[in-house]
Amino acid sequence: GAVVSQHPSWVICKSGTSVKIECRSLDFQATTMFWYRQFPKQSLMLMATSNEGSKATYEQGVEKDKFLINHASLTLSTLTVTSAHPEDSSFYICSARGGQASGANVLTFGAGSRLTVL
Amino acid sequence: GENVEQHPSTLSVQEGDSAVIKCTYSDSASNYFPWYKQELGKRPQLIIDIRSNVGEKKDQRIAVTLNKTAKHFSLHITETQPEDSAVYFCAAVVDQFYFGTGTSLTVIP
Repeated sequence: GAVVSQHPSWVICKSGTSVKIECRSLDFQATTMFWYRQFPKQSLMLMATSNEGSKATYEQGVEKDKFLINHASLTLSTLTVTSAHPEDSSFYICSARGGQASGANVLTFGAGSRLTVL
Repeated sequence: GENVEQHPSTLSVQEGDSAVIKCTYSDSASNYFPWYKQELGKRPQLIIDIRSNVGEKKDQRIAVTLNKTAKHFSLHITETQPEDSAVYFCAAVVDQFYFGTGTSLTVIP
């Protein structure tokens, strides 16, 4: 089945630094990837839709300069949290749509990245 | 964007009983409705889905119903087992996936 790999699984950084999270589709090409943020015991909040070769589409209220998304290839999307602050601490999950075997509408999630900003 | 509401937020049932989780959506263009199960500390996993041209779908102990006119869909789990304990998310999909707020299900042995 479709597999999505996300790294790092957890990261601790100092306030003001930037952190990059990678999301890779391992056995299929993902023209579209989604980035979600999940607070403890809460739902998945869609942050942005990442399309290969074009600019990401951000949801209302999500700062595009704060959360930089790059989708340079069909198997890799990255989320960079710039100048991180403690309020950016959260669980970030990527997901990819597709794989032929799974079907174009099936969403496969990465394992998530726990970001803690000190 | 789409607005998906999910109820209840928490649900406790005795082992062997049934559990029902309900979701409503706002965008009539949504045409795909998956359900995901997220165990503690793990990634969400697709458990069942339904498309807008179908009213009901069943997979062993899990079933999903869809009422497009009323814009609501439900997840039914029968003969619940302790391993069914998890957080369940519904989603409504046009291009993006919009998730409900989640239901924390606890199955009491």
